[in-house]
Amino acid sequence: GAGVSQSPRYKVAKRGQDVALRCDPISGHVSLFWYQQALGQGPEFLTYFQNEAQLDKSGLPSDRFFAERPEGSVSTLKIQRTQQEDSAVYLCASSSFRDRAGEQYFGPGTRLTVT
Amino acid sequence: RKEVEQDPGPFNVPEGATVAFNCTYSNSASQSFFWYRQDCRKEPKLLMSVYSSGNEDGRFTAQLNRASQYISLLIRDSKLSDSATYLCVVSPSGSARQLTFGSGTQLTVLP
Repeated sequence: GAGVSQSPRYKVAKRGQDVALRCDPISGHVSLFWYQQALGQGPEFLTYFQNEAQLDKSGLPSDRFFAERPEGSVSTLKIQRTQQEDSAVYLCASSSFRDRAGEQYFGPGTRLTVT
Repeated sequence: RKEVEQDPGPFNVPEGATVAFNCTYSNSASQSFFWYRQDCRKEPKLLMSVYSSGNEDGRFTAQLNRASQYISLLIRDSKLSDSATYLCVVSPSGSARQLTFGSGTQLTVLP
């Protein structure tokens, strides 16, 4: 079956531009997560949705970051007024309650470069 | 101090070698523990869960020491295909489902 997909795979933005990153989770997966992975580091948690409800956004680094999942499936991570420090790979992951605890299925990521 | 600390390596080992990775975590409330594997420029994938009693999956053995807040992964008879970055992962509780990742340990298995 189809895994988690993300688009675009690569995005180059000029400093100050707004970007929108899309995640299509595995069909039927209730939980959806966004992570940010800087070069040479592990993924860092940004935010978590259960269906359309955003249950935890404690990892969002600033109010320039905003995520939504209005119908409980596709999610969008928006970054306003991008800064160079936003350059990273943004990973989306999904899981169902039937999955083993800790088993999250990751998409290929969107590599964002802010110039 | 990072919540999950790992030796970044790199570990370069010959095929057939046994290699061990260690990890420490700072949050004593952590309830669930895992090893993920990440190939170069790919997404992370769950390798195995880690239990207090220790668990084995083929050539891979994981151990957890809650008292020392220490997690280990042992790979026996390493293969070229084991070359990857191994991420130590903890989760604070069963209900809080986000994962906290270490920075990863890079392994290269040499022919």
